[in-house]
Amino acid sequence: RKEVEQDPGPFNVPEGATVAFNCTYSNSASQSFFWYRQDCRKEPKLLMSVYSSGNEDGRFTAQLNRASQYISLLIRDSKLSDSATYLCVVGYGQNFVFGPGTRLSVLP
Amino acid sequence: EADIYQTPRYLVIGTGKKITLECSQTMGHDKMYWYQQDPGMELHLIHYSYGVNSTEKGDLSSESTVSRIRTEHFPLTLESARPSHTSQYLCASSKGLAGEAYEQYFGPGTRLTVT
Repeated sequence: RKEVEQDPGPFNVPEGATVAFNCTYSNSASQSFFWYRQDCRKEPKLLMSVYSSGNEDGRFTAQLNRASQYISLLIRDSKLSDSATYLCVVGYGQNFVFGPGTRLSVLP
Repeated sequence: EADIYQTPRYLVIGTGKKITLECSQTMGHDKMYWYQQDPGMELHLIHYSYGVNSTEKGDLSSESTVSRIRTEHFPLTLESARPSHTSQYLCASSKGLAGEAYEQYFGPGTRLTVT
């Protein structure tokens, strides 16, 4: 079993849709949580850190459930430019552990 | 935008050549990392450094080597390139450890093709 698992995708959604991605992690000692986006053949870019109380940045909302070892990312009113692969990243000690990513395609 | 740079961006080279991929950052970060990623696949950590003169191997075995003589510079070297080394190499840095909730910032990557 992988340390960080994500919805396999791909997600194909129409513009304006709301889409939710799920991520689970196996190490209960995990201390930090992030969502990155990666465009095709580009580098990962930080989308947002995920805090215990949950946090929102515009159309993006991240939630953390430590008891269930689960992280989510909600994208509202999706845009064509949101098409990318979304990476869930978990950190503990000196380790950043990347999930395999969930690919999103927003269709016109 | 993160101030982390990689050169060259694209490299096509013949088998057996020695290559060095450059990575530099101007953020004063102590922690630096090298990842390898094939198209459509996951990132794999191949090397990391926690400061000058500190280097460690990552989870994925790699024939490459790294050095960290200056804080801002973390080059990766392949002594004898092979077609199996064809991949994208991504450099990253962070201000602190993963467990301290410091995020990583990535360079634009070097796409290496060995013929």
